[in-house]
Amino acid sequence: EAQVTQNPRYLITVTGKKLTVTCSQNMNHEYMSWYRQDPGLGLRQIYYSMNVEVTDKGDVPEGYKVSRKEKRNFPLILESPSPNQTSLYFCASSIWGGNEQFFGPGTRLTVL
Amino acid sequence: SQQGEEDPQALSIQEGENATMNCSYKTSINNLQWYRQNSGRGLVHLILIRSNEREKHSGRLRVTLDTSKKSSSLLITASRAADTASYFCATDARANAGKSTFGDGTTLTVKP
Repeated sequence: EAQVTQNPRYLITVTGKKLTVTCSQNMNHEYMSWYRQDPGLGLRQIYYSMNVEVTDKGDVPEGYKVSRKEKRNFPLILESPSPNQTSLYFCASSIWGGNEQFFGPGTRLTVL
Repeated sequence: SQQGEEDPQALSIQEGENATMNCSYKTSINNLQWYRQNSGRGLVHLILIRSNEREKHSGRLRVTLDTSKKSSSLLITASRAADTASYFCATDARANAGKSTFGDGTTLTVKP
């Protein structure tokens, strides 16, 4: 089944404890992206990747890191999480940038 | 601020009625997409309209795009209770196809 998977789905952590949210797609898509969604708001793009080894900042990159060492995986790294990073995070992929995006199920992160 | 802004923020209608929601954006785009989200779940792609298209249909959905006014509308005809969801527009800037901007969404409630 073609899909985007994220892990973990739920995470509660404490300020400053490094964490990684994994994202994987099995559709051989070139493009991948991370978004955060806060109550009552749309999605804000954190980082995106047009291809392997190519990453670019979205609208809200501060406090996040990403890497794209292989086509299928695009992990999101929070080196020192803070409470304002409590949010619902979505990973998405697309055959290439600007096309229909397929979204993962989301990761609900709480930073205490 | 977000490039895409939906209007209205919330819409409540009876089953069988039509629902129209609007999206405005600020910069030149390659395409505009509409997505649906059910209660905190991942977004599902509905339709993509390119900047050189004015209208597109998909089943009960009709999307229009007016690049001179930098606006789009999504019409759902003969709505059903199952259409209850949040709807988001997303734009991909002409200057950078990888950078996606989502609006804040319209929450549609269809009463049986």
